[in-house]
Amino acid sequence: GAGVSQSPSNKVTEKGKDVELRCDPISGHTALYWYRQRLGQGLEFLIYFQGNSAPDKSGLPSDRFSAERTGESVSTLTIQRTQQEDSAVYLCASSPLEGYTFGSGTRLTVV
Amino acid sequence: GDSVTQMEGPVTLSEEAFLTINCTYTATGYPSLFWYVQYPGEGLQLLLKATKADDKGSNKGFEATYRKETTSFHLEKGSVQVSDSAVYFCALSDKAGNNRKLIWGLGTSLAVNP
Repeated sequence: GAGVSQSPSNKVTEKGKDVELRCDPISGHTALYWYRQRLGQGLEFLIYFQGNSAPDKSGLPSDRFSAERTGESVSTLTIQRTQQEDSAVYLCASSPLEGYTFGSGTRLTVV
Repeated sequence: GDSVTQMEGPVTLSEEAFLTINCTYTATGYPSLFWYVQYPGEGLQLLLKATKADDKGSNKGFEATYRKETTSFHLEKGSVQVSDSAVYFCALSDKAGNNRKLIWGLGTSLAVNP
């Protein structure tokens, strides 16, 4: 596609429920990143996929967070048993080499 | 580890004023440096970048020079417009191995008044 597409754009969920966020990267971009942006804070790295290499999961804050990517296509970020502190904008970016193209993000609100 | 420090906002300027947003970094290697911009209601966009010392990145009237001696990458614009109101993020590229994840500053909010 023309850009990085994320869905849903907004998600309100009850505490304790699971949520799944989707990212559709730019075709041909081998690298895909997930970041979290809490209100008034900078971007927090979560996970990085590069081609068929093992993903860098060093930024995932707890075992409630997981992400998958099939080849060089769509990625899903799953948050299990959501907590209020998970409320944030979750950003996906894809990249051929350096410099990212970001999606518009998913705003997650846990109530 | 590597880190990026930006000046805190919000920054409020009148139209046609001169803008500087300071950014300094710490890094063990020779990172690439970036400025990203997030306009209200939109996603992050790359504004400019520099890949080695003394390089100057420029775009849309904005400039930033990679200063290795002062470990800085300050963003400047000679005459801001209302449409420049946004949040600006400084970032560096961690080039360890093949992982090019970016390390981000906290962002500086800019409001330009007519």
